[in-house]
Amino acid sequence: NAGVTQTPKFQVLKTGQSMTLQCAQDMNHEYMSWYRQDPGMGLRLIHYSVGAGITDQGEVPNGYNVSRSTTEDFPLRLLSAAPSQTSVYFCASSYTQGSGYTFGSGTRLTVV
Amino acid sequence: AQKITQTQPGMFVQEKEAVTLDCTYDTSDPSYGLFWYKQPSSGEMIFLIYQGSYDQQNATEGRYSLNFQKARKSANLVISASQLGDSAMYFCAMREARGSNYKLTFGKGTLLTVNP
Repeated sequence: NAGVTQTPKFQVLKTGQSMTLQCAQDMNHEYMSWYRQDPGMGLRLIHYSVGAGITDQGEVPNGYNVSRSTTEDFPLRLLSAAPSQTSVYFCASSYTQGSGYTFGSGTRLTVV
Repeated sequence: AQKITQTQPGMFVQEKEAVTLDCTYDTSDPSYGLFWYKQPSSGEMIFLIYQGSYDQQNATEGRYSLNFQKARKSANLVISASQLGDSAMYFCAMREARGSNYKLTFGKGTLLTVNP
């Protein structure tokens, strides 16, 4: 039972570089989402998906792209990394409205 | 306006005592869900408890209970018999429907410290 798997756990990028944060779940969850966590800000929603082929923007989508080609995978792409994107990123998934979201272990990203 | 407000940045409690963490929310949707998560210093997010807007009774999960006051739009987390391992950041979150979609919005969190 892997749950939600995020890779990598740590990453350092230079300003302007692009990269993809991977998120995969093996629970057949329809709902998946990406959050960023910054000190004193709680978790803020970046993008979310209610099923394969369907994505929508959250609270802070600028600078990030997502796609959902399969139920299992929901990658987050940073197009041109900026120091303001230094954060801890969490992927989460949920099966139904009444169930708690299952979170991945997070990716700590530093942009220098 | 904030959707989820946690007014206590930090709380202290003695071991074995009960503690209440406050959460108020703002929504115009009749159907919503309220969650509490625990984030220990290791960083993972742990689901604790859920309350649906139509649930008649307050949710309970072991030592955790949710004091749901719908008219006041509050969903406070009560931890009974605190343990040292309860020291962590606690987040309140609300799930709202947007058509056929759902969004989960978090508060800024309360850092709970349990003293021996």
